[in-house]
Amino acid sequence: AQKITQTQPGMFVQEKEAVTLDCTYDTSDPSYGLFWYKQPSSGEMIFLIYQGSYDQQNATEGRYSLNFQKARKSANLVISASQLGDSAMYFCAMREGRERDDKIIFGKGTRLHILP
Amino acid sequence: DARVTQTPRHKVTEMGQEVTMRCQPILGHNTVFWYRQTMMQGLELLAYFRNRAPLDDSGMPKDRFSAEMPDATLATLKIQPSEPRDSAVYFCASGLGGMTEAFFGQGTRLTVV
Repeated sequence: AQKITQTQPGMFVQEKEAVTLDCTYDTSDPSYGLFWYKQPSSGEMIFLIYQGSYDQQNATEGRYSLNFQKARKSANLVISASQLGDSAMYFCAMREGRERDDKIIFGKGTRLHILP
Repeated sequence: DARVTQTPRHKVTEMGQEVTMRCQPILGHNTVFWYRQTMMQGLELLAYFRNRAPLDDSGMPKDRFSAEMPDATLATLKIQPSEPRDSAVYFCASGLGGMTEAFFGQGTRLTVV
């Protein structure tokens, strides 16, 4: 069963605007981590940001922040002041906290296009 | 500059041939993941290892795929025999246990003709 859902296959956003990429997840484990990765056209996978299930505050890394709503099982990525270089594929991922079952699974991704 | 190294970066092979992809994880990382990326299926987990022992290979077609870690510095993914439907980008990633991020290699782009 799919555990990570990214409902936006593609998005077009004007440069300098803020962007919100949606991600919902499903788990019964109380301990888990949520991640966002960026994949530019070059193909590499770049880790952006992490949120732990027990973290009280939303994670932030520079222009990236994670809007974590635990009760709704949502972990949306917010990119402030978007730039042309933000055009890429973005993946949400989850890792459950069980010692022998802590694989990282990914959503299908959202392709973000920043327009000049 | 610690990074995950994958070889080869590109591979074109004929159907029926054996393909071996290699991965050198970041030194000190005890967990290695293999993913396959296609347009249709996205990023699929094929297998992952902890301290060189396989923890989960349920995503891997067992009849033709095999994954091993001969030592802590090398992980291999083999396909024998290869088929056109195996054409994809194969990523290796390494990290630590627990809820920490994984670091990805550059990927191997496999084309089976």
